[in-house]
Amino acid sequence: EAQVTQNPRYLITVTGKKLTVTCSQNMNHEYMSWYRQDPGLGLRQIYYSMNVEVTDKGDVPEGYKVSRKEKRNFPLILESPSPNQTSLYFCASSPRTGYEQYFGPGTRLTVT
Amino acid sequence: SQQGEEDPQALSIQEGENATMNCSYKTSINNLQWYRQNSGRGLVHLILIRSNEREKHSGRLRVTLDTSKKSSSLLITASRAADTASYFCATDPQPPDNYGQNFVFGPGTRLSVLP
Repeated sequence: EAQVTQNPRYLITVTGKKLTVTCSQNMNHEYMSWYRQDPGLGLRQIYYSMNVEVTDKGDVPEGYKVSRKEKRNFPLILESPSPNQTSLYFCASSPRTGYEQYFGPGTRLTVT
Repeated sequence: SQQGEEDPQALSIQEGENATMNCSYKTSINNLQWYRQNSGRGLVHLILIRSNEREKHSGRLRVTLDTSKKSSSLLITASRAADTASYFCATDPQPPDNYGQNFVFGPGTRLSVLP
C-alpha cells in the first residue's frame, strides 16, 4: 500500500531533550516536506527536500534540522526542543514539486 | 508571509445543500490545490488546478481559478455529513515571489454538514 509513515505518533518530552521524528515513504517520490499545524495558523512549512541530499528552509525552520540521505526517508530533528515547538507535525511526499502531496498521519508533540 | 487565505473560516450547512469555499492568494502561482482534513488527521488531496486552467471537476467537486483576481473557489455539491472536515487551499508560488516557501497553505475553512 502506498503510504507515508511517521513515528512516533504521539510524544511528550521535556525542554532540551533531543528528539527525532521519522518519516518514510514507499512511493519513490522525489519531493518530501515537513509541516507544523497550530490552531488558527494552518499548516506552515518547516523544511522541504527536492531530492536526495537537497534540502531547503520553509517558512518556520528555526529550531529544526532535517536530512535526506535516502530517497524514502526524511527525518525531522529537534536538537533542543522548547515549549513553543509543541504542535502537530505532518510529513508529506510528492512525485515532484508542484504535484499532489501525500500526507502522513501526523505526530502530536508536547514539550513541557 | 502567508500566501493563501480561505473564506469563510467556518461554514455550517444542511445535508443536500451546496458548500462554497473561497481562497485568495498574493503572488503568481504555478498551481493551486485543495486538500481536506478530518479532525487532527493527515490531509487528503482533493484536486489540483494549474495556472493555465480556469475550471476543473472531480465527482461532486468543482474548482475554479481566476488568476487575474488571484482567487479560487471550491464547490461541493449535494453535501453529505461525511463531508464535514476542514478544507485547505495550497499554492505553489512562482519565483521570484517565492519567499523561500515551496508550498503554502491557507488557514482553512471548517465545514460542518448537518444531517
